[in-house]
Amino acid sequence: GDSVTQMEGPVTLSEEAFLTINCTYTATGYPSLFWYVQYPGEGLQLLLKATKADDKGSNKGFEATYRKETTSFHLEKGSVQVSDSAVYFCALNPKSTGNQFYFGTGTSLTVIP
Amino acid sequence: DAGVTQSPTHLIKTRGQQVTLRCSPKSGHDTVSWYQQALGQGPQFIFQYYEEEERQRGNFPDRFSGHQFPNYSSELNVNALLLGDSALYLCASSPGRGITDTQYFGPGTRLTVL
Repeated sequence: GDSVTQMEGPVTLSEEAFLTINCTYTATGYPSLFWYVQYPGEGLQLLLKATKADDKGSNKGFEATYRKETTSFHLEKGSVQVSDSAVYFCALNPKSTGNQFYFGTGTSLTVIP
Repeated sequence: DAGVTQSPTHLIKTRGQQVTLRCSPKSGHDTVSWYQQALGQGPQFIFQYYEEEERQRGNFPDRFSGHQFPNYSSELNVNALLLGDSALYLCASSPGRGITDTQYFGPGTRLTVL
């Protein structure tokens, strides 16, 4: 069935370090892929998305490229800030089954000054 | 423009009780989805409502039921609460009959079952 697997956390980085959070997916057809961010005590916020193969989603310095050949959608940022500390969720919408989203288990990121 | 709102913020119940959670979608959105997020886990899809009907359902028992009102707001009801129902319940709304990729999430309701 449809599913998302993402890198286990927690991840701790120093400010200005490079960030990669791995995400791979299983889906039939052509899903849309997303990264959501959740700050403490808050709901989910859409960070970026890609709707077809080779698309690159980007927002606030974060990027992810939809790689169909490797079924991956890894999140990257060149220089993290303390304010990026949050939990990051990779998600997919298979579209073939309506608008049900499948989420990974989340990766907690802490950025220290 | 208010985003997705949920009430209450927190709720404490005991096993066997029933609970109702509420959600008001973002203005202009007509589709509401509910998710359960257990501690340390990603959200799990419960069901989706459009035009006051349940359009799609995830792998949750019948104890979980919902309703959508003509103004597009929605309720999630859980009967015969179990300890394992303790979680953050998230509501998400979508425009355009829910066939787009856009989902806006509310802040959630934290349910604790004792």
